[in-house]
Amino acid sequence: AQSVTQLGSHVSVSEGALVLLRCNYSSSVPPYLFWYVQYPNQGLQLLLKYTTGATLVKGINGFEAEFKKSETSFHLTKPSAHMSDAAEYFCAVSYSGGGADGLTFGKGTHLIIQP
Amino acid sequence: DSGVTQTPKHLITATGQRVTLRCSPRSGDLSVYWYQQSLDQGLQFLIQYYNGEERAKGNILERFSAQQFPDLHSELNLSSLELGDSALYFCASTVREDSYNSPLHFGNGTRLTVT
Repeated sequence: AQSVTQLGSHVSVSEGALVLLRCNYSSSVPPYLFWYVQYPNQGLQLLLKYTTGATLVKGINGFEAEFKKSETSFHLTKPSAHMSDAAEYFCAVSYSGGGADGLTFGKGTHLIIQP
Repeated sequence: DSGVTQTPKHLITATGQRVTLRCSPRSGDLSVYWYQQSLDQGLQFLIQYYNGEERAKGNILERFSAQQFPDLHSELNLSSLELGDSALYFCASTVREDSYNSPLHFGNGTRLTVT
């Protein structure tokens, strides 16, 4: 069975500082990995995804994530935080052949941006 | 705007009652997923339909049921409601039968409060 662990339910950074949100996955087969963002009172929207190929994936709003198989990680980063980045971030995993049961989401990390 | 429409946005009802949540998927999408989001459980997959047929079940209670109609909209029926059913219910859609390689497009959710 696949699972996702997001380290830190809350992360606080200063505006302009590096953002690092951690995600580790467990999957017995090559995974497909996603980061979604949820702004207040809204649904989730896709930030970026890793399927195959290049392990460094660039997404929207300046975010990127690197798939590290040896570490079973898919951490999300952004070089310089902006106030508008304050939101809930979810890491999710699925895999080919895993059936039509949707994604397995982590518990989420609430990103707080300090002025 | 994801193109996924959920109604109503808010629903307040009493224990023991029955409610129906509605979802219109993004134009062209054949798959509809239902998720429940709560503080303690996070995002939990409930059920998926593809082109009118049930494809996968997750942590859906027997008191809950869903269906997808010929026009592809979907309804989630929650009955004999309990206080613990209070949560945010999301609908998501995608064009494929499986979601492992195609992103889910989420609606803004229906917030259900059971009193």
